[in-house]
Amino acid sequence: RKEVEQDPGPFNVPEGATVAFNCTYSNSASQSFFWYRQDCRKEPKLLMSVYSSGNEDGRFTAQLNRASQYISLLIRDSKLSDSATYLCAVDSSYKLIFGSGTRLLVRP
Amino acid sequence: DAGVIQSPRHEVTEMGQEVTLRCKPISGHDYLFWYRQTMMRGLELLIYFNNNVPIDDSGMPEDRFSAKMPNASFSTLKIQPSEPRDSAVYFCASSFGTGSNTEAFFGQGTRLTVV
Repeated sequence: RKEVEQDPGPFNVPEGATVAFNCTYSNSASQSFFWYRQDCRKEPKLLMSVYSSGNEDGRFTAQLNRASQYISLLIRDSKLSDSATYLCAVDSSYKLIFGSGTRLLVRP
Repeated sequence: DAGVIQSPRHEVTEMGQEVTLRCKPISGHDYLFWYRQTMMRGLELLIYFNNNVPIDDSGMPEDRFSAKMPNASFSTLKIQPSEPRDSAVYFCASSFGTGSNTEAFFGQGTRLTVV
């Protein structure tokens, strides 16, 4: 079993839709969690950190469920420019481990 | 700051040749990570350094791979001899510390093709 797992997608949604991604992790001792965005043929870039109480940044909401060991990312009112691959990352024993990413396609 | 700088951006080499990938982390960052990304396996952590010292190399696929960090501003990942299955995008990333407020900054990657 991979340490961090994501549904690869793709998620194909119309503009304005709400879409949610989940990511599960296996190391219960993990303390830090992140969502990264990766555009085609580019490097990953931090989208947002995920805090225990949940956090929101504009149209993006991230949540952590320690009991079930998963993190989620909710995107509201999706834009064409949100089309990308979203990678979750978990700090596991000081190693930053990434999921394989979920591809999002937002269509007009 | 120019960010994490990797070179070369693209490398095409023949099977059996030695390949050296280079990385300059962001000044002041004390963690440096080497990742490999493929369609099949996603983004895999190969090795990471803290204050120039290799901490965990459990992700290095085999002895053909080696990494060094001779000083705080430079790291190399070497593959010798290279094989077609090593074809991937290799990313270097650096961060200051670890934890929930720590962002790992990635270089633009080296796209390696072994023919």
